[in-house]
Amino acid sequence: AQKITQTQPGMFVQEKEAVTLDCTYDTSDPSYGLFWYKQPSSGEMIFLIYQGSYDQQNATEGRYSLNFQKARKSANLVISASQLGDSAMYFCAMREDDYKLSFGAGTTVTVRA
Amino acid sequence: EAGVVQSPRYKIIEKKQPVAFWCNPISGHNTLYWYRQNLGQGPELLIRYENEEAVDDSQLPKDRFSAERLKGVDSTLKIQPAELGDSAVYLCASSVRQGTTNEKLFFGSGTQLSVL
Repeated sequence: AQKITQTQPGMFVQEKEAVTLDCTYDTSDPSYGLFWYKQPSSGEMIFLIYQGSYDQQNATEGRYSLNFQKARKSANLVISASQLGDSAMYFCAMREDDYKLSFGAGTTVTVRA
Repeated sequence: EAGVVQSPRYKIIEKKQPVAFWCNPISGHNTLYWYRQNLGQGPELLIRYENEEAVDDSQLPKDRFSAERLKGVDSTLKIQPAELGDSAVYLCASSVRQGTTNEKLFFGSGTQLSVL
């Protein structure tokens, strides 16, 4: 069964606007961590933000915020004030107690000037 | 501080030929991962090392793939013989083993393999 689902293969956003990338996950572990990574055309996976399953508040890192809805098992990434350099592939990932990091299929974001 | 270094960046080989990828993790990172990323998909774990021990190689196709991590630092992933379906990006990542769910992985730029 798919552990991480990203339903948006590609998205376009206007520069300076916000964009939300969807991510739903499936786990029966009470303790887990959710990550978002950015992969530009250079290929390197860049860590953006982390949310723990027991964290009471939504994580924020600069222009990135994670909208964590535990009951719905969703962990959407919000990028505010989009910049041209945000154009990349974005991956949602989850780590369960077995330490494996499972990735979704990714969403391509294209920022338009 | 240097990040995770991988080489080569690109590799083109004919099927049935051997190929090897090299990874130098971030200094002090005791955990090393090899992932394979097929086109348009997310990375999938092949093998995980803690120091020089392979603690999870359940997803490594052992008939043709092998890996080693000598002295718990650099690692090499080998395919012999390569098949057309092995064309993918091979990513190396490292981390400091914390035993918690917030352990953050640092990735290299990957090796893009094309098997003709």
